[in-house]
Amino acid sequence: QKEVEQDPGPLSVPEGAIVSLNCTYSNSAFQYFMWYRQYSRKGPELLMYTYSSGNKEDGRFTAQVDKSSKYISLFIRDSQPSDSATYLCAMSATGGSYIPTFGRGTSLIVHP
Amino acid sequence: EPEVTQTPSHQVTQMGQEVILRCVPISNHLYFYWYRQILGQKVEFLVSFYNNEISEKSEIFDDQFSVERPDGSNFTLKIRSTKLEDSAMYFCASSLAAHEQFFGPGTRLTVL
Repeated sequence: QKEVEQDPGPLSVPEGAIVSLNCTYSNSAFQYFMWYRQYSRKGPELLMYTYSSGNKEDGRFTAQVDKSSKYISLFIRDSQPSDSATYLCAMSATGGSYIPTFGRGTSLIVHP
Repeated sequence: EPEVTQTPSHQVTQMGQEVILRCVPISNHLYFYWYRQILGQKVEFLVSFYNNEISEKSEIFDDQFSVERPDGSNFTLKIRSTKLEDSAMYFCASSLAAHEQFFGPGTRLTVL
Protein backbone atom coordinates (compact mmCIF):
# COMPACT_ATOMS: atom_id res chain seq x y z
CA GLN A 1 0.00 0.00 0.00
CA LYS A 2 1.34 3.41 -0.98
CA GLU A 3 1.91 5.86 1.87
CA VAL A 4 -0.09 8.70 0.32
CA GLU A 5 -2.86 8.15 -2.19
CA GLN A 6 -4.35 10.89 -4.31
CA ASP A 7 -6.67 10.56 -7.28
CA PRO A 8 -4.89 12.12 -10.28
CA GLY A 9 -8.15 13.29 -11.91
CA PRO A 10 -8.61 15.38 -13.92
CA LEU A 11 -11.40 17.01 -11.98
CA SER A 12 -13.36 19.42 -14.15
CA VAL A 13 -15.76 21.91 -12.57
CA PRO A 14 -17.57 25.08 -13.66
CA GLU A 15 -16.44 28.44 -12.37
CA GLY A 16 -17.95 29.22 -8.98
CA ALA A 17 -18.22 25.59 -7.88
CA ILE A 18 -17.00 24.27 -4.55
CA VAL A 19 -14.11 21.90 -5.14
CA SER A 20 -13.15 19.06 -2.85
CA LEU A 21 -9.70 17.51 -3.19
CA ASN A 22 -8.70 14.56 -1.04
CA CYS A 23 -5.84 12.35 0.05
CA THR A 24 -5.64 9.22 2.13
CA TYR A 25 -2.59 7.96 3.93
CA SER A 26 -1.41 4.92 5.82
CA ASN A 27 1.34 6.22 8.12
CA SER A 28 -0.17 7.12 11.48
CA ALA A 29 3.01 9.03 12.40
CA PHE A 30 2.13 11.86 10.00
CA GLN A 31 1.33 15.02 11.96
CA TYR A 32 1.81 17.83 9.43
CA PHE A 33 -0.43 17.97 6.40
CA MET A 34 0.39 20.34 3.57
CA TRP A 35 -1.32 21.37 0.36
CA TYR A 36 0.67 22.64 -2.58
CA ARG A 37 -0.52 24.05 -5.88
CA GLN A 38 1.56 23.38 -8.98
CA TYR A 39 0.99 25.05 -12.31
CA SER A 40 2.24 23.27 -15.40
CA ARG A 41 6.06 23.09 -15.52
CA LYS A 42 6.39 25.23 -12.38
CA GLY A 43 7.47 24.52 -8.84
CA PRO A 44 4.98 23.55 -6.12
CA GLU A 45 3.63 26.52 -4.17
CA LEU A 46 2.66 26.00 -0.54
CA LEU A 47 -0.99 26.92 0.00
CA MET A 48 -1.40 25.96 3.62
CA TYR A 49 -0.58 23.41 6.24
CA THR A 50 -2.29 22.01 9.30
CA TYR A 51 -0.89 20.29 12.32
CA SER A 52 -2.68 17.18 13.64
CA SER A 53 -6.47 17.14 13.24
CA GLY A 54 -8.98 19.87 12.57
CA ASN A 55 -9.74 22.57 10.07
CA LYS A 56 -7.84 25.57 8.84
CA GLU A 57 -9.22 28.31 6.64
CA ASP A 58 -7.37 30.80 4.45
CA GLY A 59 -9.53 32.90 2.17
CA ARG A 60 -11.34 30.61 -0.26
CA PHE A 61 -9.33 27.58 0.88
CA THR A 62 -10.15 25.25 3.78
CA ALA A 63 -7.98 22.33 4.80
CA GLN A 64 -9.46 19.54 6.85
CA VAL A 65 -7.73 16.62 8.55
CA ASP A 66 -9.42 13.52 9.93
CA LYS A 67 -6.68 11.48 11.55
CA SER A 68 -9.04 8.74 12.70
CA SER A 69 -9.86 8.01 9.05
CA LYS A 70 -6.39 8.97 7.75
CA TYR A 71 -8.09 11.30 5.30
CA ILE A 72 -7.39 14.92 4.44
CA SER A 73 -9.27 17.36 2.25
CA LEU A 74 -8.83 20.72 0.62
CA PHE A 75 -11.95 22.69 -0.22
CA ILE A 76 -11.90 25.58 -2.65
CA ARG A 77 -14.92 27.89 -2.58
CA ASP A 78 -16.01 30.02 -5.52
CA SER A 79 -13.49 28.34 -7.79
CA GLN A 80 -11.90 30.45 -10.53
CA PRO A 81 -10.26 29.51 -13.83
CA SER A 82 -6.98 30.69 -12.28
CA ASP A 83 -7.34 27.83 -9.75
CA SER A 84 -6.75 25.38 -12.61
CA ALA A 85 -3.59 23.56 -11.58
CA THR A 86 -2.40 20.34 -9.99
CA TYR A 87 -2.92 20.16 -6.23
CA LEU A 88 -0.45 18.11 -4.25
CA CYS A 89 -0.95 16.90 -0.74
CA ALA A 90 2.13 16.23 1.36
CA MET A 91 2.58 14.90 4.86
CA SER A 92 5.36 14.63 7.37
CA ALA A 93 5.97 13.17 10.79
CA THR A 94 7.42 14.96 13.81
CA GLY A 95 9.82 12.25 14.90
CA GLY A 96 12.49 10.52 12.86
CA SER A 97 12.31 11.85 9.30
CA TYR A 98 10.68 15.25 8.86
CA ILE A 99 10.78 15.01 5.10
CA PRO A 100 7.33 15.28 3.52
CA THR A 101 5.86 12.49 1.46
CA PHE A 102 3.93 13.78 -1.53
CA GLY A 103 0.83 12.49 -3.22
CA ARG A 104 0.93 12.35 -7.00
CA GLY A 105 -1.40 15.34 -7.30
CA THR A 106 -4.92 15.95 -8.58
CA SER A 107 -5.33 17.93 -11.77
CA LEU A 108 -8.12 20.52 -11.42
CA ILE A 109 -9.70 22.30 -14.37
CA VAL A 110 -12.09 25.16 -13.67
CA HIS A 111 -13.88 26.16 -16.85
CA PRO A 112 -15.57 29.55 -17.32
CA GLU B 1 8.42 38.67 -1.48
CA PRO B 2 11.56 36.52 -1.19
CA GLU B 3 11.69 33.47 -3.41
CA VAL B 4 13.89 30.54 -4.29
CA THR B 5 15.59 30.91 -7.65
CA GLN B 6 17.12 28.20 -9.83
CA THR B 7 19.40 28.19 -12.85
CA PRO B 8 19.35 27.14 -15.58
CA SER B 9 15.67 26.73 -16.33
CA HIS B 10 16.48 24.03 -18.87
CA GLN B 11 19.63 21.95 -19.22
CA VAL B 12 20.28 19.54 -22.06
CA THR B 13 23.20 17.17 -21.71
CA GLN B 14 24.61 14.02 -23.20
CA MET B 15 24.49 10.76 -21.28
CA GLY B 16 27.62 10.36 -19.16
CA GLN B 17 28.23 14.09 -18.80
CA GLU B 18 28.32 15.95 -15.51
CA VAL B 19 25.76 18.65 -14.75
CA ILE B 20 25.51 21.18 -11.97
CA LEU B 21 22.14 22.61 -11.05
CA ARG B 22 22.15 25.83 -9.09
CA CYS B 23 19.80 27.27 -6.53
CA VAL B 24 19.67 30.41 -4.42
CA PRO B 25 17.51 29.66 -1.37
CA ILE B 26 15.61 32.28 0.61
CA SER B 27 18.24 34.17 2.56
CA ASN B 28 17.19 33.52 6.17
CA HIS B 29 16.27 29.88 5.64
CA LEU B 30 18.30 27.17 7.33
CA TYR B 31 17.24 23.98 5.57
CA PHE B 32 17.76 23.26 1.89
CA TYR B 33 16.42 20.46 -0.21
CA TRP B 34 16.54 18.94 -3.65
CA TYR B 35 13.61 17.07 -5.15
CA ARG B 36 12.96 15.68 -8.56
CA GLN B 37 9.77 15.08 -10.51
CA ILE B 38 9.73 12.82 -13.50
CA LEU B 39 7.05 13.92 -15.96
CA GLY B 40 3.61 12.86 -14.77
CA GLN B 41 4.91 11.39 -11.53
CA LYS B 42 5.06 12.50 -7.93
CA VAL B 43 7.61 14.82 -6.38
CA GLU B 44 10.43 12.69 -4.95
CA PHE B 45 12.82 13.73 -2.21
CA LEU B 46 16.53 13.52 -2.96
CA VAL B 47 18.43 15.21 -0.15
CA SER B 48 18.22 17.74 2.65
CA PHE B 49 21.04 19.94 3.88
CA TYR B 50 21.45 21.72 7.17
CA ASN B 51 24.37 23.37 8.89
CA ASN B 52 26.67 22.65 5.94
CA GLU B 53 26.07 18.95 5.83
CA ILE B 54 23.60 16.43 4.48
CA SER B 55 20.93 15.79 7.11
CA GLU B 56 18.94 13.21 5.19
CA LYS B 57 19.00 11.55 1.79
CA SER B 58 16.81 9.13 -0.10
CA GLU B 59 17.86 5.93 -1.82
CA ILE B 60 17.70 7.82 -5.12
CA PHE B 61 20.60 10.00 -3.94
CA ASP B 62 23.40 7.57 -4.73
CA ASP B 63 27.08 8.15 -5.37
CA GLN B 64 26.49 9.96 -8.65
CA PHE B 65 24.84 12.82 -6.77
CA SER B 66 26.45 15.41 -4.53
CA VAL B 67 25.40 18.70 -3.00
CA GLU B 68 27.35 21.72 -1.96
CA ARG B 69 26.83 25.13 -0.47
CA PRO B 70 29.93 26.81 -1.88
CA ASP B 71 29.16 30.22 -0.41
CA GLY B 72 26.55 31.94 1.73
CA SER B 73 23.91 32.06 -0.97
CA ASN B 74 24.20 29.22 -3.50
CA PHE B 75 23.20 25.60 -3.12
CA THR B 76 24.15 23.18 -5.89
CA LEU B 77 23.28 19.68 -7.00
CA LYS B 78 25.88 17.86 -9.07
CA ILE B 79 25.11 14.77 -11.08
CA ARG B 80 28.42 13.19 -12.01
CA SER B 81 27.59 10.90 -14.90
CA THR B 82 24.09 11.48 -16.16
CA LYS B 83 21.83 8.65 -17.29
CA LEU B 84 18.76 8.79 -19.47
CA GLU B 85 16.58 8.13 -16.44
CA ASP B 86 17.90 11.28 -14.75
CA SER B 87 15.73 13.32 -17.13
CA ALA B 88 13.28 15.13 -14.85
CA MET B 89 12.40 18.45 -13.28
CA TYR B 90 14.69 19.18 -10.37
CA PHE B 91 13.35 21.44 -7.66
CA CYS B 92 15.28 23.18 -4.95
CA ALA B 93 13.43 24.15 -1.79
CA SER B 94 14.31 25.96 1.39
CA SER B 95 12.65 26.36 4.76
CA LEU B 96 12.87 27.34 8.37
CA ALA B 97 10.82 24.22 9.20
CA ALA B 98 10.33 21.01 7.21
CA HIS B 99 6.57 21.40 6.91
CA GLU B 100 6.79 24.85 5.37
CA GLN B 101 9.04 24.49 2.36
CA PHE B 102 9.29 27.00 -0.45
CA PHE B 103 10.10 25.63 -3.85
CA GLY B 104 11.96 27.17 -6.73
CA PRO B 105 10.67 27.13 -10.31
CA GLY B 106 12.74 24.08 -11.19
CA THR B 107 15.37 23.07 -13.72
CA ARG B 108 14.26 20.79 -16.50
CA LEU B 109 17.07 18.33 -17.16
CA THR B 110 17.05 16.47 -20.44
CA VAL B 111 19.60 13.71 -20.91
CA LEU B 112 20.11 12.57 -24.49
